[in-house]
Amino acid sequence: EVQLVESGGGLVQPGGSLRLSCAASGFNFGIYSMNWVRQAPGKGLEWISYITSSSSATYYADSVKGRFTISRDNAKNSVYLQMNSLRAEDTAVYFCARADVDHWGQGTLVTVFS
Amino acid sequence: QAGLTQPPSMSKGLRQTATLTCTGNSNNIGVQGTSWLQHRQGHPPKLLSYTNNNRPSGISERFSASRSGNTASLTIAGLQPDDEADYYCSSWDTSLTARVFGGGTKLTVL
Repeated sequence: EVQLVESGGGLVQPGGSLRLSCAASGFNFGIYSMNWVRQAPGKGLEWISYITSSSSATYYADSVKGRFTISRDNAKNSVYLQMNSLRAEDTAVYFCARADVDHWGQGTLVTVFS
Repeated sequence: QAGLTQPPSMSKGLRQTATLTCTGNSNNIGVQGTSWLQHRQGHPPKLLSYTNNNRPSGISERFSASRSGNTASLTIAGLQPDDEADYYCSSWDTSLTARVFGGGTKLTVL
């Protein structure tokens, strides 16, 4: 069974940093691209980043470009999201999702507050 | 980044059929597959259909998808109370090199 489990969310002040992790199991992680998607309170789903299976390419939404960095460790079956210079508008539940968003984790809540 | 366009809400009666639409352009829906997701409060999104009309294992045949030009559609037949949820479409945009989502349609089953 495919499982994705996010961790690392929490409370942080504006300008602060957090690193989210997503641990994958139940499939051959190393051959799948991965995404991070978020949902702010009362809003819809927003794609924020994508990484290819070999880390050869990464893409970002304009809203996070230059502040967030996606990475992965295929030996650890994990994908990460380093979030710097956090803003109030980054407050959201962050999900990792496989490839063409066919499997999702439960999400982890990030709250940026002053 | 421009996203896909979905009507924000729809209401239908029990056992009726709902057709949800999603409009994009020639850089996303027109050339790439469209995924449809169901999102209930407190749960992760669930894939209902991918690459226009393929259902993952375990998804009811009541859910069917199609595409015409730059518009994708999800039809839900025989609506049940459990179908009440937010529905999102998504596609890869080759011009933006980004995944785009629709704003979501909140489906109410009366």
